[in-house]
Amino acid sequence: DAGVTQSPTHLIKTRGQQVTLRCSPKSGHDTVSWYQQALGQGPQFIFQYYEEEERQRGNFPDRFSGHQFPNYSSELNVNALLLGDSALYLCASSLDQRGDSNEQFFGPGTRLTVL
Amino acid sequence: QKEVEQDPGPLSVPEGAIVSLNCTYSNSAFQYFMWYRQYSRKGPELLMYTYSSGNKEDGRFTAQVDKSSKYISLFIRDSQPSDSATYLCAMSAAWGNNRLAFGKGNQVVVIP
Repeated sequence: DAGVTQSPTHLIKTRGQQVTLRCSPKSGHDTVSWYQQALGQGPQFIFQYYEEEERQRGNFPDRFSGHQFPNYSSELNVNALLLGDSALYLCASSLDQRGDSNEQFFGPGTRLTVL
Repeated sequence: QKEVEQDPGPLSVPEGAIVSLNCTYSNSAFQYFMWYRQYSRKGPELLMYTYSSGNKEDGRFTAQVDKSSKYISLFIRDSQPSDSATYLCAMSAAWGNNRLAFGKGNQVVVIP
């Protein structure tokens, strides 16, 4: 059973550039969330996609946008990169269902460095 | 006040000791409480989760949730060097609104 996969592993960009990160959810999962983890900090919620729509959004500017495809995979796009966008970007997947399980499984992350 | 507070100080313990970690939170809507383990430069790995108040045990790990005090804990018994990692508490509200709010994490080092 494949877990959550993300690509690329590492990425180096310069200020003002644009970047696209990709995520494939765990088999059977239909919901994808994106998090930003700065060095020494806990992950911060960016947004969540379900049924190809953005369902929830954290406190991030519009420079951060995303997309979910019919196969449930997802992309995170960041425009006009700033030095402060340097972080580990994590994708997490879950299954949208009622019940006592609200588990989210994380991928290995994409480490973005903005120079 | 942050939604989730976790004292981020590092913790060094000798092998075999009990590790005790805790978090407090302010959002009464949180119903799901999780502990993630994260190795250096890797994604977080779900260790345990608890729904609402109570205790949950899984091998050497015990998670406790006290919703009345808005306080959660993780205990690691008979700690091993392989337990050396960063431990993050996380929590979320009801189904359909499950963004995770994380603490800053505790770096735990178990010394052989």
